[in-house]
Parts: sequence; C-alpha cells; structure tokens
Amino acid sequence: EVQLVESGGGLVQPGGSLRLSCAASGFTFSTYSMNWVRQAPGKGLEWVSYISSGSSTISYADSVKGRFTISRNNAKNSLSLQMNSLRAEDTAVYYCARATMLRGVPDAFDIWGQGTMVTVSS
Amino acid sequence: SYELTQPPSVSVSPGQTASITCSGDKLGDRYAYWYQQKPGQSPVLVIYQDTRRPSGIPERFSGSNSGNTATLTISGTQAMDEADYYCQAWDSSTVVFGGGTKLTVL
Repeated sequence: EVQLVESGGGLVQPGGSLRLSCAASGFTFSTYSMNWVRQAPGKGLEWVSYISSGSSTISYADSVKGRFTISRNNAKNSLSLQMNSLRAEDTAVYYCARATMLRGVPDAFDIWGQGTMVTVSS
Repeated sequence: SYELTQPPSVSVSPGQTASITCSGDKLGDRYAYWYQQKPGQSPVLVIYQDTRRPSGIPERFSGSNSGNTATLTISGTQAMDEADYYCQAWDSSTVVFGGGTKLTVL
C-alpha cells in the first residue's frame, strides 16, 4: 500500500524549533518529488516547501523562507522539515504530499499523509 | 506572486450540477489541479492536468481550463460530494492553492 506517515508534531513555544518527519512506503520514494503543505485551524491549504527527487531543486513559500529547511533521505525513504523560529501563525496541521512527475516537471499531489499538528503557543 | 481565486461557497441541490471556478492570470496557460477535502480528512486529488480523473474518482467529476478560469464540474451531485474543494497550480517551482470553496449539497 502506498503510504505517507507524518510524525514529530506537538506543542512548542514561540521562537522554538521542531522537526517533522514523513515516512514513505509502498513506492519508489527516490523517483518522486515531495512537498509539505499546511492547514491552519479552520483555514485553507497553504503550500510550504518542495524538494525534487534528488534534492537538486528546493523551494519555499515566502512565509517560511529562512526559517524552515526541507530535506530528504532516499536511502531511508524519509522526508523532513526542520522548523526554526516558530511563530503563532505557523500553528497548523502539516501534511507531506507526493508529487507525480510529467516529463520531468512536478505535477499532481496524488498521495497525502494524514497530517501532524503543530501548535506554537506559550 | 501568482494568486488563485475561488468563491468561498457554492450550493447545489442533490442530482444537479455544481460548478466551482478558480481564477488566475492566464491560468489556461498552465495546468490546474483540484482537491477534495472532507472534515477531518486529508485532501484527495480529484482532477489533474485540467481534465483528467485519477483512478477511483467518479465520472461525475470533470474539469476544464481556459483563459483565466479553471472550472470543476460535478454532475449529478450527491450528498457525499459535500466538502471543501481547492484548486492548485504550479508557478515555476512553487505551488499556489486557491482559498477553497465549500460545496453544500442541500
């Protein structure tokens, strides 16, 4: 079964750090680009970060640039998001999502994890 | 930065056709994608590359994209289709989501 399972969420104080992980199974992880998408309580989806299959291309939303770092370990089928200098507005459910590829360009987000909740509060 | 605009809500009677729009500058020049999200669940891809349906998505879901507007159409809407729907597009190596549309079936 193709599956993504996030972990690492929790309660953290403003200014603190947290590292999210996403474990992939059931597919050849190293051939897919990956993303983090978040959803604040009662709000819509917000894309956070993208990493290509070989980590050569990485991009971030302006709201997290300079504070968050995406990485992956293809040998361990895992995706990570290091979140530093956290703010109250980073409070959200964080999803990892697989992107299919179309002629070498990322395409649809076809598989999503169940999400992990991050709460930034004192 | 690129933006996608959706109506906050759309209502439809059971069995009727629901249309949800997504507007963006020259959106028709890029692919549009649509996701369905029910309360407490993760998003599910329902349309990709403007018009294509993933395996397992009912035929009543269809999409189009031209000019500045992409449209998700649900024909013969069922109660189970009540959900939030999000459009999405790529802007270089970044991703943009629309604000979401709550579809109410009443």
